[in-house]
Amino acid sequence: KQEVTQIPAALSVPEGENLVLNCSFTDSAIYNLQWFRQDPGKGLTSLLLIQSSQREQTSGRLNASLDKSSGRSTLYIAASQPGDSATYLCAVRHSGGGTDKLIFGTGTRLQVFP
Amino acid sequence: DAGVTQSPTHLIKTRGQQVTLRCSPKSGHDTVSWYQQALGQGPQFIFQYYEEEERQRGNFPDRFSGHQFPNYSSELNVNALLLGDSALYLCASSWGGRGGGEQYFGPGTRLTVT
Repeated sequence: KQEVTQIPAALSVPEGENLVLNCSFTDSAIYNLQWFRQDPGKGLTSLLLIQSSQREQTSGRLNASLDKSSGRSTLYIAASQPGDSATYLCAVRHSGGGTDKLIFGTGTRLQVFP
Repeated sequence: DAGVTQSPTHLIKTRGQQVTLRCSPKSGHDTVSWYQQALGQGPQFIFQYYEEEERQRGNFPDRFSGHQFPNYSSELNVNALLLGDSALYLCASSWGGRGGGEQYFGPGTRLTVT
């Protein structure tokens, strides 16, 4: 059974710091991995999607890496800003067996203070 | 281009009642998935609809049922509501059934059961 874990559960940093959020998964047979942002009480905004054949994806100040063999992904946020404050979720999609659902971690709650 | 829309935004129901939540997928998408997110947790997969059929189901009881219409919009029905059904219900759409299509999430419906 696939399990997704995110560390740390919460993070509070001053503005301008570079951050690394971690995501690990127990079954390496994934189709892709997606990072989301969620503001309190809101829906999910997709940040980056990494296919299983890829090593990393970049969008602006965000960079996500994937090491499928070790079951890990990291989300790097450069030069953090107060507007980055949100919960960050990673989710994996399995390959094979007809499984098409996303399996989520419990998220990292990020607070960036001025 | 309209993204994924959900209605209603908020809903308050009493134990034992029934509820229907609605979702319209992003333009061009034909697959709809439903997720339940309890407070402080990651979303949990309920089921997925493709070509008006339930294609895949998570670990949820039969009280949870759904439907997909010819225009690809979808409904989630929950019967005999329990206090534990209080959660944010998220709809996600994608294209083309199985495979690496990116899932786009709606803003969610906040259901409170009293």
